[in-house]
Amino acid sequence: GIQVEQSPPDLILQEGANSTLRCNFSDSVNNLQWFHQNPWGQLINLFYIPSGTKQNGRLSATTVATERYSLLYISSSQTTDSGVYFCAVGGNTPLVFGKGTRLSVIA
Amino acid sequence: NAGVTQTPKFQVLKTGQSMTLQCAQDMNHNSMYWYRQDPGMGLRLIYYSASEGTTDKGEVPNGYNVSRLNKREFSLRLESAAPSQTSVYFCASSEWGGGAGELFFGEGSRLTVL
Repeated sequence: GIQVEQSPPDLILQEGANSTLRCNFSDSVNNLQWFHQNPWGQLINLFYIPSGTKQNGRLSATTVATERYSLLYISSSQTTDSGVYFCAVGGNTPLVFGKGTRLSVIA
Repeated sequence: NAGVTQTPKFQVLKTGQSMTLQCAQDMNHNSMYWYRQDPGMGLRLIYYSASEGTTDKGEVPNGYNVSRLNKREFSLRLESAAPSQTSVYFCASSEWGGGAGELFFGEGSRLTVL
């Protein structure tokens, strides 16, 4: 099956800093999503981005499907950005999740 | 607009007891899923239903059964709970089956098996 690797596993930022999270996957996909799991455990959809670039406020994402990776950019980080960020990918099977990047933003 | 609703939110069981987790979605989605989340493991697929009337095993199906009751509802049953099934369970739905379609999650059900 598809393998998904996220890096870094842990990240600590000062409030206002920028960061880039990476997701590598092992096979062709037709679905890629980024999720944020907040400290209360809720999984929140950030981007549905099987290819191309999207932006939503301070967050943006880019997927280069031919090279099998996706990047999530967080600019001007805030303490509310803390939590775990998951990348999930799918081909013709349900989404497979990476193990996540745990982000802590310190005021 | 409730989206995906799971019940119960919390449950404590003794080893060997049975229980059913309920899930309902109001987005008219065709596909529904059950994932479990364990520390450091990300989310792993237990079972899914690509469309009403079908169910398929995921990565970790042992010890679980599912029922797609109708298009809205997808339940997960533990027949004889084991401590290894202590986890947070998430139900999800998407408009299309397989890997296509944006996935939407419920708020999760925290299960502890003593």
